Amino acid sequence: EDQVTQSPEALRLQEGESSSLNCSYTVSGLRGLFWYRQDPGKGPEFLFTLYSAGEEKEKERLKATLTKKESFLHITAPKPEDSATYLCAVRNYGQNFVFGPGTRLSVLP
Amino acid sequence: DTAVSQTPKYLVTQMGNDKSIKCEQNLGHDTMYWYKQDSKKFLKIMFSYNNKELIINETVPNRFSPKSPDKAHLNLHINSLELGDSAVYFCASSQRGGNGYTFGSGTRLTVV
Repeated sequence: EDQVTQSPEALRLQEGESSSLNCSYTVSGLRGLFWYRQDPGKGPEFLFTLYSAGEEKEKERLKATLTKKESFLHITAPKPEDSATYLCAVRNYGQNFVFGPGTRLSVLP
Repeated sequence: DTAVSQTPKYLVTQMGNDKSIKCEQNLGHDTMYWYKQDSKKFLKIMFSYNNKELIINETVPNRFSPKSPDKAHLNLHINSLELGDSAVYFCASSQRGGNGYTFGSGTRLTVV
């Protein structure tokens, strides 16, 4: 069964304190690993797609990397507006998405 | 310009009632989905529709039924609501094989 786990469950950082979020997955035929950001009371917002091990994507203070078993979302010098829940999802060979439980990030000023 | 819009945003209803949630997308995507997000924030797929054809149904009770009048709309009908149905329901759309989903803003359903 395809599965996605994320750690930590919650993370509190001081503004400017860089860190990484982890997404570990098992999937039958990876057809993409996706990162989303979800703000309270809103739907998830697409951030990145990674397709193969070694691939990296960057957007502002965020960088996503992918290995054969996990993905990391690196946050460099975060700001309070980066506070959100970050969701990881994989798409399998059957084009189905499986989401992880998310990491709730709080960046304190 | 709202890409995926769902209504209502909040829905409070009594056990046993029947209710509907509407969803519309203006992105021209060919596939639409309904997800349930429970209190632990897990997003679980309920249905997807591609060209009016149901292609996923993940062990969802048959009290839940999707209705798609056209490829821009996927409504969710729920009969005989139960307390355990309380959750946030998200509509989403994508182009098959494309780059992830576009989600609506969610409908918070509370069954009392």
